[in-house]
Amino acid sequence: EIVLTQSPVTLSLSPGERATLSCRASQSVSSSQLAWYQQKPGQAPRLLIFGTSNRPTGIPDKFSGSGSGIDFTLIISRLEPEDFAVYYCQHYATSPGTFGQGTKLEIK
Amino acid sequence: QVQLVQSGAEVKKPGASVKVSCKASGYTFSTFSMHWVRQAPGQGLEWMAVVNPSGSRTTYTQKLQGRVTVTRDSSTSTVSMELTSLRSEDTAVYYCARDPGNGWFDSWGQGTLVIVSS
Repeated sequence: EIVLTQSPVTLSLSPGERATLSCRASQSVSSSQLAWYQQKPGQAPRLLIFGTSNRPTGIPDKFSGSGSGIDFTLIISRLEPEDFAVYYCQHYATSPGTFGQGTKLEIK
Repeated sequence: QVQLVQSGAEVKKPGASVKVSCKASGYTFSTFSMHWVRQAPGQGLEWMAVVNPSGSRTTYTQKLQGRVTVTRDSSTSTVSMELTSLRSEDTAVYYCARDPGNGWFDSWGQGTLVIVSS
């Protein structure tokens, strides 16, 4: 089973700053098989990025994804109050896919 | 627009069973796989199960093998997840999530809270 480890566990930043979230896989994952989700308290997760770097319709371009092999990154530029949430990476290289444990992005 | 509407919260005793439904609308139901993901209080996301578009094939996490069953009814565009022999550690919010065919989840239900308590 591929294990995804996200870092940091908690990230404290101020509005306007840039957030860099990391997701490391225990073995290589195809770049087409890595997604990111945002989850706010009391809400279902929302797809932000699929295929490492692709945004679904309606996701603003301040969210960007990159990476390959075992290291993947989600960058959120110009943080706004509504961006403070928990972020999960997910791989689907094998069935079933698994999620990372999440990074909580909190207001500093 | 795509909508996945789940059934309401449940409170069950240990050893009982629960069935959670997920009614889909806004797209062609028979062309997408549907997954179930759960989230224990304060915890992360845990994948549970998937049913293919036709309903002919299901895959379950080994952790729940033998206790979970997922079915789909194309006549009502509904996917259901039944979990038996409930334990306190099954207390969680259960989500259905649509798979556009590549393994990620592009739409989610609103979640159903299941509490297992004596």
